[in-house]
Amino acid sequence: GQNIDQPTEMTATEGAIVQINCTYQTSGFNGLFWYQQHAGEAPTFLSYNVLDGLEEKGRFSSFLSRSKGYSYLLLKELQMKDSASYLCAVTDSNYQLIWGAGTKLIIKP
Amino acid sequence: NAGVTQTPKFRILKIGQSMTLQCAQDMNHNYMYWYRQDPGMGLKLIYYSVGAGITDKGEVPNGYNVSRSTTEDFPLRLELAAPSQTSVYFCASSYGEGYNEQFFGPGTRLTVL
Repeated sequence: GQNIDQPTEMTATEGAIVQINCTYQTSGFNGLFWYQQHAGEAPTFLSYNVLDGLEEKGRFSSFLSRSKGYSYLLLKELQMKDSASYLCAVTDSNYQLIWGAGTKLIIKP
Repeated sequence: NAGVTQTPKFRILKIGQSMTLQCAQDMNHNYMYWYRQDPGMGLKLIYYSVGAGITDKGEVPNGYNVSRSTTEDFPLRLELAAPSQTSVYFCASSYGEGYNEQFFGPGTRLTVL
């Protein structure tokens, strides 16, 4: 079967750094997405990785290891507005997106 | 550009009633999707379309129907609503296949009582 695992909830402090992990087992792999979803709102795109390595975009970075079936999203200089759920999604061999359940990130002052 | 729009935002249905959730996009995207999101669960694909006149089932299509007569519109029809269909429904669109970013509408929160 296809499976994506993320921690259910994480807590971090304003100004700190947090790493959200995602492991996946899917039938084929054609890329991995991270989306941000604030409570009561729609998901919005953060990043896309298809090759191994780190992609940096401002305060957010995303890492991929295809051989390990592993990715992480790194958020630096945390702000209160970063409180949200972070969704990991993998494109399988049929180019369909398989979604993880999301990680709820709580930022404390 | 309005992006992806959905109506209504909220709806309460009685068991056995039917309704249509509307979705439209103005980005000229070929690919459109319907998802449902239940609390603590990932997004589940209901139906998708790769262009006008072409639709296909996703992971959880039972109890739903779709049509795609134009590039812009992708309505989702619920027939004989059941409590198990209580969920938040998101419509999304993308330029191409699964390696392209998906743009989401604001969602429809549906309760079936």
